[in-house]
Amino acid sequence: DAGVIQSPRHEVTEMGQEVTLRCKPISGHNSLFWYRQTMMRGLELLIYFNNNVPIDDSGMPEDRFSAKMPNASFSTLKIQPSEPRDSAVYFCASSLHLTSGGYNEQFFGPGTRLTVL
Amino acid sequence: AQTVTQSQPEMSVQEAETVTLSCTYDTSESDYYLFWYKQPPSRQMILVIRQEAYKQQNATENRFSVNFQKAAKSFSLKISDSQLGDAAMYFCAYRSVGGSEKLVFGKGMKLTVNP
Repeated sequence: DAGVIQSPRHEVTEMGQEVTLRCKPISGHNSLFWYRQTMMRGLELLIYFNNNVPIDDSGMPEDRFSAKMPNASFSTLKIQPSEPRDSAVYFCASSLHLTSGGYNEQFFGPGTRLTVL
Repeated sequence: AQTVTQSQPEMSVQEAETVTLSCTYDTSESDYYLFWYKQPPSRQMILVIRQEAYKQQNATENRFSVNFQKAAKSFSLKISDSQLGDAAMYFCAYRSVGGSEKLVFGKGMKLTVNP
């Protein structure tokens, strides 16, 4: 299994530009998570989807951030316009959520390091 | 809302020695999961160990074990026979059972292993 795939691995952009981060979850997984890691705030959930439907977007900072999951194998996180304070590592994770309950491990991708100048 | 606190930002240990990383959390839920994740310089998040709150027995994975004190809301990780490869950031995390699947992380702790 290829694991969770994220692209790009590194992104450097200028303030005001649009940035799109991409994630391909593990095949068969039905939950997808976007986390952000900064020195100041640590790791925090931005949004997560279950069966392509956003379940919890309470961590999305503001209207400049949007996330989509058009199908089970692809998700995007878009920042428009980007600001220097958006500089962070963005992780995507996926899991197999069982409606019968029980534990389901989240598998993390390698992250995208975003630098906004 | 649940919170996770790691009060020690950095620790160091000699190779082959034992080190304990501390974590406390706050929740009003009675059932939940607790985790320790390792993040080496490659920044990959690696699950080290998991504890289910309804289980009184402390989880163990090879050289890694936890001390789970539910009443005190404490969840420490013990690394025995420390190896150079254990050097990394370690994050304590919480997840509800049922309800939201999101992980709530502590701020992390940097572990250095000295040869």
